[in-house]
Amino acid sequence: QVTLRESGPALVKPTQTLTLTCTFSGFSLSTSGMCVSWIRQPPGKALEWLARIDWDDDKYYSRSLKTRLTISKDTSKNQVVLTMTNMDPVDTATYYCARMGATRYYFDYWGQGTLVTVSS
Amino acid sequence: EIVLTQSPGTLSLSPGERATLSCRASQSASSSYLAWYQQKPGQAPRLLIYGASSRATGIPDRFSGSGSGTDFTLTISRLEPEDSAVYYCQQYGSSSWTFGQGTKVEIK
Repeated sequence: QVTLRESGPALVKPTQTLTLTCTFSGFSLSTSGMCVSWIRQPPGKALEWLARIDWDDDKYYSRSLKTRLTISKDTSKNQVVLTMTNMDPVDTATYYCARMGATRYYFDYWGQGTLVTVSS
Repeated sequence: EIVLTQSPGTLSLSPGERATLSCRASQSASSSYLAWYQQKPGQAPRLLIYGASSRATGIPDRFSGSGSGTDFTLTISRLEPEDSAVYYCQQYGSSSWTFGQGTKVEIK
């Protein structure tokens, strides 16, 4: 059974760095072909893909947010970490981690999401 | 970067009716790259369709996907009350994954 769970602060101040952790079970990121992505959704708005990390440590980032994002993994802990620097109120959103399907073109399992509010 | 445009914005239908949701891409891509998700209030998105027409595990057969090139469709053949949700299309292209703005399906 595949599960993912996001954790991190519910509130951050503008200019601070956000660190989110995705803890998963039911699969291993050391298995060839496995990938995990982060996706966010501002309140009442659409989904936005942020970053992806692969079993072989290849990384991909949203072009518009590339300079602010870092994704990493700890295979032994079954965790993927996303950091986003210089947070702004427009970054207020629910942040999801999701496993990617076999072809890596879609997201087959999602965490329940964690709401991050950026406010002073 | 690919832009996905979904229509209509909102669809209001009665139980048992057929819902047809459209997703148009700004550039042509393989149908393998197109997926659909269902999101209910307060919940994470759920994968419905991948590869434009393949149902994900556990998805009822009243949900079907079709299309190619730049035009894709999600059809719900006989609406049930639990189908009330926002539906998103998503496409892969050039190491980036893009979502449409969503179509809200309301059940009368």
